[in-house]
Amino acid sequence: DTGVSQDPRHKITKRGQNVTFRCDPISEHNRLYWYRQTLGQGPEFLTYFQNEAQLEKSRLLSDRFSAERPKGSFSTLEIQRTEQGDSAMYLCASSASSVYLQFFGPGTRLTVL
Amino acid sequence: TQLLEQSPQFLSIQEGENLTVYCNSSSVFSSLQWYRQEPGEGPVLLVTVVTGGEVKKLKRLTFQFGDARKDSSLHITAAQPGDTGLYLCASQGPGNNRKLIWGLGTSLAVNP
Repeated sequence: DTGVSQDPRHKITKRGQNVTFRCDPISEHNRLYWYRQTLGQGPEFLTYFQNEAQLEKSRLLSDRFSAERPKGSFSTLEIQRTEQGDSAMYLCASSASSVYLQFFGPGTRLTVL
Repeated sequence: TQLLEQSPQFLSIQEGENLTVYCNSSSVFSSLQWYRQEPGEGPVLLVTVVTGGEVKKLKRLTFQFGDARKDSSLHITAAQPGDTGLYLCASQGPGNNRKLIWGLGTSLAVNP
């Protein structure tokens, strides 16, 4: 399967714990996006990488959130000191520079108890 | 700020019926994508429309882009239970990052 993959698919954690999610984009795609989606809403943009450079961060991304893409391939999204309001589906998408279409992974559903 | 409005927000119909969902904006779209999302999964791209007045068909789904590129519609003919899902429209925001701006979606339930 050469699509976008995300791991884990589901994460249940207690408030205050740290969590880390991984995204593996389509191999030739140099753009990588993170979005967050809560129930009944469309996805909301969190951050964007072109290769290893993080070029934009949404105001939604508080100081507790950090994202990396160290070698311009896979990316990680870490949430420190999780809060119940962080419960959501975290989606990763990738695209090539030459086209504007974004392809999404299956998402990681986070539940903070 | 470009906003996408989708209607209706919820739709519950019987198998075999036809339906149309809408996506509107006060701004001109450079392009518009329609996605379908099932519970617990990521959005899956259905179609992209770029040219004003464009019509694209995908089996029983017909997508139309308004002449002024400010609105789009998705029409499903003879809906089936497998069509159940969340239908989302999205468009590229301003700037070079090409981040997607999304509507809230239309949640469709097709009952057998």
